[in-house]
Amino acid sequence: GENVEQHPSTLSVQEGDSAVIKCTYSDSASNYFPWYKQELGKRPQLIIDIRSNVGEKKDQRIAVTLNKTAKHFSLHITETQPEDSAVYFCAASSDFGNEKLTFGTGTRLTIIP
Amino acid sequence: DTGVSQDPRHKITKRGQNVTFRCDPISEHNRLYWYRQTLGQGPEFLTYFQNEAQLEKSRLLSDRFSAERPKGSFSTLEIQRTEQGDSAMYLCASELGIYNEQFFGPGTRLTVL
Repeated sequence: GENVEQHPSTLSVQEGDSAVIKCTYSDSASNYFPWYKQELGKRPQLIIDIRSNVGEKKDQRIAVTLNKTAKHFSLHITETQPEDSAVYFCAASSDFGNEKLTFGTGTRLTIIP
Repeated sequence: DTGVSQDPRHKITKRGQNVTFRCDPISEHNRLYWYRQTLGQGPEFLTYFQNEAQLEKSRLLSDRFSAERPKGSFSTLEIQRTEQGDSAMYLCASELGIYNEQFFGPGTRLTVL
C-alpha cells in the first residue's frame, strides 16, 4: 500500500517569511496529492491540490510542486500570516477505484508575530 | 448548511458499550469515506462506500466495527464492545467521485473510559 512521509513535524517561522513542508510517497500509481489544513479542534480543510500531469500549482500565497520521478511534493507558503498557524497534512491517492487518501503525519506550523 | 455533518460531535462511553455515529454527506456526493484520527497523527482510512455499496475495509477495522450506507445517502459507523484503544476522532468525508476532492465533516470524538 501507499506510504506517505512528511517533514518537518514542527516548523516555526517569522511572520512574513516563507514556509516549506515536504512529503514523499511510495506508490507510483498515486496521481492526486492534496494538502489539508487543520486548526485545533476543527475539520481538515483542503487548501490546494495537484495532479500528476502538473508540476506546479499556485493559489495566491500557496503553491505546491510535484516531482513524480523522485516521488515527492512540497507545499510552499509565502508572506506567512498568524492565521496560517495550524497543522498541515499532505496526502496521496490514485483515481483507480478506491480513492482513499493516505495521509502524512502532519506538520505543526507556528507563525511568530 | 451544505457541508458534511456528523452526529454526535462528542461521545463518552464505558468500555464494553456499543456506540453508533452518523455521517450526512454533501448532497449528491456518491462516495463516502470513514477515517480515524488519533492525537498527533494524520487521518487513517477505515472504509469506503460508493453509493450504498461498501467497497473496501481497512485491515485496521476489526470485526467489532461495522458501517452501513443503506440508501446511498447518510452512513452509520457502529463500534461494538468498545475498548480504550478505540478512543479517537472519527471523521467522515464525501466526494463527488470524479474530482478526487474529499470534503471532511467536523468529526465525532469518542472517549472510551
